[in-house]
Amino acid sequence: EDKVVQSPLSLVVHEGDTVTLNCSYEVTNFRSLLWYKQEKKAPTFLFMLTSSGIEKKSGRLSSILDKKELFSILNITATQTGDSAVYLCAVESGTYKYIFGTGTRLKVLA
Amino acid sequence: EAQVTQNPRYLITVTGKKLTVTCSQNMNHEYMSWYRQDPGLGLRQIYYSMNVEVTDKGDVPEGYKVSRKEKRNFPLILESPSPNQTSLYFCASSLRRPTLNTEAFFGQGTRLTVV
Repeated sequence: EDKVVQSPLSLVVHEGDTVTLNCSYEVTNFRSLLWYKQEKKAPTFLFMLTSSGIEKKSGRLSSILDKKELFSILNITATQTGDSAVYLCAVESGTYKYIFGTGTRLKVLA
Repeated sequence: EAQVTQNPRYLITVTGKKLTVTCSQNMNHEYMSWYRQDPGLGLRQIYYSMNVEVTDKGDVPEGYKVSRKEKRNFPLILESPSPNQTSLYFCASSLRRPTLNTEAFFGQGTRLTVV
């Protein structure tokens, strides 16, 4: 059965800290891995990863994929209160089918 | 403004009364999908559509139907809703498969309660 597991489930940090969120997966036909940020309602797209070892960066956020060990990490440096959200990892397994993890809830304290 | 619009945003209904949640996108996207989000289970894909008249089941299709008669609309139909379909539903769209570096846009969600 296809599975995506995120860890930790929840964490609380102070502004300025760096956090690393993990996403591991077991899927039958991996095509891509996506990260989303979900604040109040709709998830918003962050990154899509298809190749191992190539870091994607957007401001203070970065992500990398390891297809051999079947995981990805999302790093957030110099965290701000606006980074507080649930971060979702999704894997495309086969064609058009997306398996989501349960998310990591991040709270950044001022 | 590029957006995915779901209606209604909130709905409380009774068991067995057919309902439709609409989803419309104004970006001429080919790919659309429905998800439900439940505590501890994350987002689970219900149905998806690759283009007009092309739909397929996701992970949890039981109790749901969809149709894609026009590119912009992808309604989710619950013929006989049951309490276990109480959930937060999201519609998403993208130009092509999100694996082709195209961003997926999500609607604002529909919170459905079936009593």
